[in-house]
Amino acid sequence: DTEVTQTPKHLVMGMTNKKSLKCEQHMGHRAMYWYKQKAKKPPELMFVYSYEKLSINESVPSRFSPECPNSSLLNLHLHALQPEDSALYLCASSQGRLAGGGQYFGPGTRLLVL
Amino acid sequence: AQTVTQSQPEMSVQEAETVTLSCTYDTSESNYYLFWYKQPPSRQMILVIRQEAYKQQNATENRFSVNFQKAAKSFSLKISDSQLGDTAMYFCAFMKGRTSGTYKYIFGTGTRLKVLA
Repeated sequence: DTEVTQTPKHLVMGMTNKKSLKCEQHMGHRAMYWYKQKAKKPPELMFVYSYEKLSINESVPSRFSPECPNSSLLNLHLHALQPEDSALYLCASSQGRLAGGGQYFGPGTRLLVL
Repeated sequence: AQTVTQSQPEMSVQEAETVTLSCTYDTSESNYYLFWYKQPPSRQMILVIRQEAYKQQNATENRFSVNFQKAAKSFSLKISDSQLGDTAMYFCAFMKGRTSGTYKYIFGTGTRLKVLA
């Protein structure tokens, strides 16, 4: 299984809502990532989990809260978002010890904040 | 800090022709990895090809090959026999070697490639 899955595919939420994005991989990868991508732009790194511990937080606002319940799952909890947070949110994973193998990306969640 | 530069925002190529996408990077590291990713319109980002900096031999994957010039810090992607399905945004990316203990990928701004029928 070389797939990273993400749910939901699309999400529309108001600025007062609380929602969660989910990501799952079964490749035994030990590094997992959240990216934000605006149209026609490269992915912007938000968080990196390494062996289920948060290793990188790119100064992301606290209205985004990541969680890694186990080595296969990664969540991104959303609360009180702003319209400028509308974007494609990508999850990716990569091998831990063999980190040079490149990242596998999920299809993304397209988020619209009203 | 590492930077990755893709100087060609958009390119086009005729079907069956060959096209080369440019990427330059800046780093003081000696051990690192370089990648090309492809993101078709409204579709998933996929890894096209990877290169380990300590390997002199250029990586190839079917119709995709790279020209890795370590001294010049250049990492171009050549697509041979271009197909309509190659139409996509292509991102060049850099990552420090495994001994760095981090997993941060640095992406270029991308090159939008359109293959013309």
